[in-house]
Amino acid sequence: QQQVKQSPQSLIVQKGGISIINCAYENTAFDYFPWYQQFPGKGPALLIAIRPDVSEKKEGRFTISFNKSAKQFSLHIMDSQPGDSATYFCALQVLFGNEKLTFGTGTRLTIIP
Amino acid sequence: DAGVTQSPTHLIKTRGQQVTLRCSPISGHKSVSWYQQVLGQGPQFIFQYYEKEERGRGNFPDRFSARQFPNYSSELNVNALLLGDSALYLCASSIDRYQPQHFGDGTRLSIL
Repeated sequence: QQQVKQSPQSLIVQKGGISIINCAYENTAFDYFPWYQQFPGKGPALLIAIRPDVSEKKEGRFTISFNKSAKQFSLHIMDSQPGDSATYFCALQVLFGNEKLTFGTGTRLTIIP
Repeated sequence: DAGVTQSPTHLIKTRGQQVTLRCSPISGHKSVSWYQQVLGQGPQFIFQYYEKEERGRGNFPDRFSARQFPNYSSELNVNALLLGDSALYLCASSIDRYQPQHFGDGTRLSIL
């Protein structure tokens, strides 16, 4: 059973636009929600993360929005650039329990000029 | 500072063989986790080790085993390789069990 549903599977955004990727989960025990960015031939790199006690976290052009009641969280990339073209994964973790990360299925983002 | 390093970067094996993958965590990191990433999918958790003890195990067969050494480096062993074991094997380290995990670039394992 898939514990996290990520959408869309692929996304094409024009340079300068806003890229939005969504994730939904079922288990309310999760309490740490990171986003990872992965380029071809590389491992996932931690981009930004949020705890459920805040509804939004912003780091530069990257923002996580978190809706605890709806069990959804999303990544917003403002002023998207060609260098942002990569695969993005949301992940879930029970921070003080089983320490494993549970990943979404990934979103392939392409930024076009 | 050096990130998580994994070796080898690429490996080709045949069915039935055994393989050992190696991981050196970021200096000062005591927790190491292993993940399998099949092409087009998100990483799947295999093992976590902290202070040389297994702290978590994913839904993988007993053909998969791992260990962590006193210097916190780790090895992942896979026996009786199957075609379905072809994947990118990722190692992640964290300062302790409750800190963010940082990934290496993985070992690409191909089974012929």
